[in-house]
Amino acid sequence: QQPVQSPQAVILREGEDAVINCSSSKALYSVHWYRQKHGEAPVFLMILLKGGEQKGHDKISASFNEKKQQSSLYLTASQLSYSGTYFCGSDYGNNRLAFGKGNQVVVIP
Amino acid sequence: DTGVSQDPRHKITKRGQNVTFRCDPISEHNRLYWYRQTLGQGPEFLTYFQNEAQLEKSRLLSDRFSAERPKGSFSTLEIQRTEQGDSAMYLCASSFGQGAFNEQFFGPGTRLTVL
Repeated sequence: QQPVQSPQAVILREGEDAVINCSSSKALYSVHWYRQKHGEAPVFLMILLKGGEQKGHDKISASFNEKKQQSSLYLTASQLSYSGTYFCGSDYGNNRLAFGKGNQVVVIP
Repeated sequence: DTGVSQDPRHKITKRGQNVTFRCDPISEHNRLYWYRQTLGQGPEFLTYFQNEAQLEKSRLLSDRFSAERPKGSFSTLEIQRTEQGDSAMYLCASSFGQGAFNEQFFGPGTRLTVL
């Protein structure tokens, strides 16, 4: 039930764009995205519900394709602060999150 | 608005000892979750509470692990007879638990090292 995240790692220069993906093999109720910096707790970024509702930070954009059970997070005009490991958490409607292994993002000047 | 707090932040213990961790959720949140995270992995669900009721436990939670949430406020996670494989970051999260959105907010974690 662990979602698959891709690509495993992304290196981009400040100002560039990137897309990271999260795929599940089971039907999802919602997808949650978090960013975690080394030695710190995961920080909530975005939640996307089946049916199209979403809630999160204004500067973060994401999509949820219900047919493919896939979510994508869009890092636009990346900043140095975007560096970290991004985790998606799959909610199958059972009040627990199953997290993927993460997408490591490194933004360089 | 204070966030989720956990205590202690670090714990080093010898194999076979018992350890207890505490989590204080965001005050108006009625759901509380425990996760375990090892290096290079995402958090793994252990258990969760709705108010004081423990509603679900993962198969990862062996009988050496016990969690409580008396009066639906703070929670404790106890590990008895620790093993080296228990070394990990133990994360607590809380959520409001009502409505369609159920975003979880994580605490800073307790890093356990079992020697």
